[in-house]
Amino acid sequence: AQSVTQPDIHITVSEGASLELRCNYSYGATPYLFWYVQSPGQGLQLLLKYFSGDTLVQGIKGFEAEFKRSQSSFNLRKPSVHWSDAAEYFCAVDGNKLVFGAGTILRVKS
Amino acid sequence: GAGVSQSPRYKVAKRGQDVALRCDPISGHVSLFWYQQALGQGPEFLTYFQNEAQLDKSGLPSDRFFAERPEGSVSTLKIQRTQQEDSAVYLCASSMDGRSNQPQHFGDGTRLSIL
Repeated sequence: AQSVTQPDIHITVSEGASLELRCNYSYGATPYLFWYVQSPGQGLQLLLKYFSGDTLVQGIKGFEAEFKRSQSSFNLRKPSVHWSDAAEYFCAVDGNKLVFGAGTILRVKS
Repeated sequence: GAGVSQSPRYKVAKRGQDVALRCDPISGHVSLFWYQQALGQGPEFLTYFQNEAQLDKSGLPSDRFFAERPEGSVSTLKIQRTQQEDSAVYLCASSMDGRSNQPQHFGDGTRLSIL
């Protein structure tokens, strides 16, 4: 069965610093991979998705993610974090239904 | 157009009561999903509809949970004889046709608290 691991529960970065959130997945075939963001009291907003082709995908709000099959990873990156990026981030894999990781809470310090 | 709409946003019920949570998907979206998100966890799949047909209910935790989508649009998730462990945020999502490469669009959820 597919699974997703986000090893970091919390991450704190300074505003303007770069960010990388880790995601590892387990899936028997080529996965469809997603990153979602959730602000308190709100639903999930799609940041970006990977289906096939170019392994570096661009998303909204300046985020990007790189699919590495050899490492079963799909890490999310942003070169310069803004205070408004503080939220919880979920990685997910879809093999007919979305399977989510436990999430990483991002804190941004000014 | 409007996004996925869920109501109520907050629901407090006493243990043993029945509750009904409503989801209004994006107009024209064929597929509808329900997820349960416990505090500090990622969402977990409950059930999936394609139009009015419930194609997968493997995630429903017990027979106290029941979902329907009788006309292929609005869906209701019903929980009978609620227990404290049912306290969670219930998220609804819809997608155009349910294929894995179609992103799911989420509502803001219903936060259910069982006293």
